This record gives sequence, structure tokens and C-alpha cells, in this order.
Amino acid sequence: AQSVTQLGSHVSVSEGALVLLRCNYSSSVPPYLFWYVQYPNQGLQLLLKYTTGATLVKGINGFEAEFKKSETSFHLTKPSAHMSDAAEYFCAVSDLTSGTYKYIFGTGTRLKVLA
Amino acid sequence: EPEVTQTPSHQVTQMGQEVILRCVPISNHLYFYWYRQILGQKVEFLVSFYNNEISEKSEIFDDQFSVERPDGSNFTLKIRSTKLEDSAMYFCASIRLADYNEQFFGPGTRLTVL
Repeated sequence: AQSVTQLGSHVSVSEGALVLLRCNYSSSVPPYLFWYVQYPNQGLQLLLKYTTGATLVKGINGFEAEFKKSETSFHLTKPSAHMSDAAEYFCAVSDLTSGTYKYIFGTGTRLKVLA
Repeated sequence: EPEVTQTPSHQVTQMGQEVILRCVPISNHLYFYWYRQILGQKVEFLVSFYNNEISEKSEIFDDQFSVERPDGSNFTLKIRSTKLEDSAMYFCASIRLADYNEQFFGPGTRLTVL
């Protein structure tokens, strides 16, 4: 069965500092991986996705993530945090084994940006 | 750009009442999903729907839940007799036939059961 683990339910960084949010996955087949951001009382916004091809993927708002098969990881990074980045971030894997392509989400990481 | 829409944005109901949450997926999408997010927790899969039938459901999706595509555009989630623990944000999502990679999510319906 596929699964996603997000290490660190809360991460705090200073404005301008590097953002690193960790995601590890378990999958018996090559995975499709996604990062979503959720602002308070709002829906899910896609930041970026990895399906095939280049392992370093760039997303919106300056975020990027690197798929590392050997480490089963898909960590999200941003070189310089902005106050507006404060939100909840979810990593997800598309379940390609069930035939329904449902998403399996991680437990989320709440990012706090300190002035 | 086409988007998934959901109504209502917020629903308040009394315990034991029936609620219907409505979604309009993107028109050329063929797979539909409902997810649930209890406040402060992760997003959980409820059910997937394809070709007018349920293709997969989670343990959460018990007999109190049902889904339907009553016409060519709407996709509904019905909870027959709501419980306090059904209070959550419910997201609808859909994907294209030609592109299995990305689900498009609606803005969600916040259900509050009193």
C-alpha cells in the first residue's frame, strides 16, 4: 500500500530563511507526487507535482521539490521564506495500485514565518 | 479556466438530519472523488466514482454515506443521519480521462453538525 509521511507537524523559519518541508513516501510502483498548500479556512492549492521526467520540479510562489527515488523522498524547498508563505502544506501520492488514482495525503506541516 | 465548484460553502445542520453536498466537476472529467478533512487533521479519501458507480470507498464511507451523479453535471454526497463527528470540510475533486496525474479540487464545503 502506498503511504506518505511528513516529518514535523510544525516548522518555524525566519523571514528570508530557507524553507525545507520533508515528505517521504512508500510505493510499490513509480509514484506520482504532489504538494498542496492550504491557507486558513481555504481549499487546497496545487504547488507542484512530479509524475515522470525531470526529478527537480518547480512550482508556484518560488517553491520547488526534488524527487529522490533512492531516498523515497520528495522534500519541498524555497530559498527565501516570505510572510505570505505561512500556511499548512500537504504532501500527497496518487495511488496508482488501486486503479482509482485516489490521493493519499500526509498529515501536513504547518509553516510559521517569523518576522 | 474550468474549475470544480461546490455548494454550499458552509452548511450547518442538527445531529440526525440529512445533508446533501453538491459538486460540479469539470465538464470533460470522468473520475470523481470526495475527501474529508476534520479540523486540524489531514485530508482523507472517502470515495471515488467512475462510470456511474463507486469504484472504491474507504472505511469512513459507511452506510450513512452515498454518492450520486443525478444528471450530467452534478455529483453529490449525501449523509443520511449526521453525527457530531461528521463535522469537517468536504472536498470534491475530479480528473480527466487523458491525464491521470492531477486531481482538480473544489473549494470545499464546511459542514458543522450541532
